[in-house]
Amino acid sequence: DIQMTQSPSTLSASVGDRVTITCRASQNTHTWLAWYQQKPGKAPKLLIYKASILESGVPSRFRGAGSETEFTLTISSLQPDDFATYYCQQYNSYSSGSFGQGTKVEIK
Amino acid sequence: EVELVQSGGGLVQPGGSLRLSCTASGFTFGAYWMTWVRQAPGKGLEWVANIKEDGSQKFYLDSVEGRFTISRDNAENSLYLQMNSLRAEDTGVYYCMRDFNHQTNKWGDYWGQGSLVTVSS
Repeated sequence: DIQMTQSPSTLSASVGDRVTITCRASQNTHTWLAWYQQKPGKAPKLLIYKASILESGVPSRFRGAGSETEFTLTISSLQPDDFATYYCQQYNSYSSGSFGQGTKVEIK
Repeated sequence: EVELVQSGGGLVQPGGSLRLSCTASGFTFGAYWMTWVRQAPGKGLEWVANIKEDGSQKFYLDSVEGRFTISRDNAENSLYLQMNSLRAEDTGVYYCMRDFNHQTNKWGDYWGQGSLVTVSS
């Protein structure tokens, strides 16, 4: 099974900051990777799929990059609504869709 | 409008059973893989199981294999998760998720509202 490792686990930042979250896969997942945002008590929200494709309606300050085993999610200018937990998910095969452990973005 | 509405869940004793349901609307249900994802209290997301468009293929997390069964009824636009021999570590919120579509190459764009499963004596 493919293991996904996100870093950092927690990120403290201020409004307007540029932040980057990294997700590493234990095996090549090509570009079969998605990023989600989750707020407390809510279902996750898709931000990015196929590593770099922005989901419809998601602000352009979110950007996904990477391929094979290393991926990043960058928020170019952090907004108050962006304080949340972010997860990556690989989808290299139908038999498993493992998630990273999450990165909590909190107010500095 | 695409919607996934979940039902089921609740409190069950260890060793007991529960069935979760997820009813879809607003899209061609039979054209999508569907998935169950869970989240233990205060923890991250965990992929549990998924099922192919026509139900012919199913995959499970190792720790639930043999205890959980994913199924679907495309005529009723419904997804199910039958959970047997439940353990305390199965406690959490369970979400259904619209999975892969071959035309869009997209997955995870719609989620149910979540169903709380509590396994405790």
